[in-house]
Amino acid sequence: DAKTTQPPSMDCAEGRAANLPCNHSTISGNEYVYWYRQIHSQGPQYIIHGLKNNETNEMASLIITEDRKSSTLILPHATLRDTAVYYCIVRPVGQGAQKLVFGQGTRLTINP
Amino acid sequence: NAGVMQNPRHLVRRRGQEARLRCSPMKGHSHVYWYRQLPEEGLKFMVYLQKENIIDESGMPKERFSAEFPKEGPSILRIQQVVRGDSAAYFCASSPGPDNQPQHFGDGTRLSIL
Repeated sequence: DAKTTQPPSMDCAEGRAANLPCNHSTISGNEYVYWYRQIHSQGPQYIIHGLKNNETNEMASLIITEDRKSSTLILPHATLRDTAVYYCIVRPVGQGAQKLVFGQGTRLTINP
Repeated sequence: NAGVMQNPRHLVRRRGQEARLRCSPMKGHSHVYWYRQLPEEGLKFMVYLQKENIIDESGMPKERFSAEFPKEGPSILRIQQVVRGDSAAYFCASSPGPDNQPQHFGDGTRLSIL
């Protein structure tokens, strides 16, 4: 079962930053935090992942708290095309790393 | 989701028939994963394969389902004697290795059982 907790839904205005929280209070030291999103009728799309340090790529930024018990995915300038279900996944290293465990995610709606 | 190719995108079968779903991984990827998404539910892991080997099939139903990833050609998920409960979206993902590298997904095959 998924070891993360996310709000079921969020709204954000177009052009604003979307901040999606995730709690993973039972995360272990060798477990990564991954984010995927699923736009309606498409397959999950990889966004970003991190272990301890904050990460940034062309899609988003990932902020992980110092105790690693929670994280926030930031879409800096949300567009209508960012409307999707966003999944926060804790992924171990080694045995079991191949099974991504998807929870219910956060349904993000970007409003014009 | 460019790169991982799944076909067909939509497949309709009658109860009792066989369904074959195909997945071609991204170029350079030798690890393939299958997931199933039932209506209104999250994705569930089914099986993990490398070329010619099944590594982890802990999420596969015990009967009627099988998967292969031959030396040449795509990975195949096969469902024999389909039932209505098999109606779902089946997604394939691939990665270049077993380590902590992102899995990249295809757009899935939507299986409908009449």
